[in-house]
Amino acid sequence: QVQLVQSGAEVKKPGSSVKVSCKALGDTFRSFAVSWVRQAPGQGLEWMGGIVPVFGTSNNAQKFQGRITITADESTTTTYMELSSLTYDDTAVYYCARGPRPVGLEYLDSWGQGTLVTVSS
Amino acid sequence: EVVMTQSPATLSVSPGERATLSCRASQSVNSNLAWYQQKPGQTPRLLIYGASTRATGIPARFSGSGSGTEFTLTISSLQSEDFAVYYCQQYDDWPPLTFGGGTKVEIK
Repeated sequence: QVQLVQSGAEVKKPGSSVKVSCKALGDTFRSFAVSWVRQAPGQGLEWMGGIVPVFGTSNNAQKFQGRITITADESTTTTYMELSSLTYDDTAVYYCARGPRPVGLEYLDSWGQGTLVTVSS
Repeated sequence: EVVMTQSPATLSVSPGERATLSCRASQSVNSNLAWYQQKPGQTPRLLIYGASTRATGIPARFSGSGSGTEFTLTISSLQSEDFAVYYCQQYDDWPPLTFGGGTKVEIK
C-alpha cells in the first residue's frame, strides 16, 4: 500500500509563493496519477490539478491557471505543487492524493496527511 | 465543468438508522463517481468508486448506487464512527475533477 508523506506547515506573506512536496513510499512512482486538492477552513474539497506520469504533463483547474505548477521527480518519487501570487483566500490545507492507475485522473484512493498553508501578513 | 450538487447539506440521523445521501451531476458522468468520508481533523477516505464498488476495507453497511446524473450513498445502520462529512466526486470529464459540496451526517 502506497503512503504519501507531505512537507510541513507553511506561513507565507501575500504575494509570495509556496511549494509543497508529496513523497510516495512503498510503490512504483509511475504506477499512479497524483492530484492536489485543497480545503479552506470549514469548507469543502477543491481539486487544483494533477499529474499523470505516463503523459508527463499536468492538468490544472482553470481557476488556478497561471498560478499553479505541478511537477514530479521520479528519482525521488516526489511530486511538488507550487502556488504563486498567494492571497489570504489561499489559506487552506493542501492534500496530495493518488489515483489507482497511471493513465488519467480518477478517484483518489490514498491521501497524504495534508499541509496547512497560512497566508498572513 | 461538471457541477456536482449534494443534498441535503445536513442529515440528522439516530444511531442504528439508515442514512441516504444524494449527489446529482450537471451532465452524465456514467458510473465514474466516487464517495469519500471525512471526519473532523482527518483526511478524506475513499468509500466507493465506480458508483457502487466499495473500496478496500469499507464495511458492507456502505453502499452506492446510480448512474448518469443521479447517485445515492446509503449507510444501512449508522454507527457512531459514521458521523462525518461525505463528498461525492466525478471523474468522467476532466479537467477538472469536481467534488460536491458535502453532506454532514450528524447525530439526531
